[in-house]
Amino acid sequence: AQKITQTQPGMFVQEKEAVTLDCTYDTSDPSYGLFWYKQPSSGEMIFLIYQGSYDQQNATEGRYSLNFQKARKSANLVISASQLGDSAMYFCAMREDNNNDMRFGAGTRLTVKP
Amino acid sequence: GAGVSQSPRYKVAKRGQDVALRCDPISGHVSLFWYQQALGQGPEFLTYFQNEAQLDKSGLPSDRFFAERPEGSVSTLKIQRTQQEDSAVYLCASSLVDGRSYEQYFGPGTRLTVT
Repeated sequence: AQKITQTQPGMFVQEKEAVTLDCTYDTSDPSYGLFWYKQPSSGEMIFLIYQGSYDQQNATEGRYSLNFQKARKSANLVISASQLGDSAMYFCAMREDNNNDMRFGAGTRLTVKP
Repeated sequence: GAGVSQSPRYKVAKRGQDVALRCDPISGHVSLFWYQQALGQGPEFLTYFQNEAQLDKSGLPSDRFFAERPEGSVSTLKIQRTQQEDSAVYLCASSLVDGRSYEQYFGPGTRLTVT
């Protein structure tokens, strides 16, 4: 069963603007972790940000922040001040405490326009 | 410092051939994961090792897929009698310790094409 849903196959944003990439998830485990990864055209997966299910505050890492709404089971990634180098595929992922695997969404392709 | 490395980066195999894909995790990383990423999709979990123990192989798609990590460091994913649907990028990831909160560091992947 699909546990991670990314509804935006592609997104465009103007350079220097902010953009939100959507992610919803499904789990019955009360303890889990949520991750966002960036995959440029070169293929490597780059870790961006992590949010734990019990964390009270939204995670932030530089220009990346995670808008975590637990009741809605959403974990949207916000990228502020977009740069041309942000153009890539972005994957949302979840790992439950009682599972070894990390489940990924289908990804969103972000294109930053100059 | 060295990250996760994988070899070969590209592999073309004729249908029916056996292939072996290698992963060198970050030194000292306890956990190692293999994923399969089909074109245009997110990675899908194949198997997980904690040191040399294969604790989860629930994602391996068939008994043609076999993974090992005999000394708790380097891992090999073997695919026997390859088929066209095996064409994908195979990603290896390692993590310092086991636990839901620990990020996984990914290698560059091996792109397998079965003709």
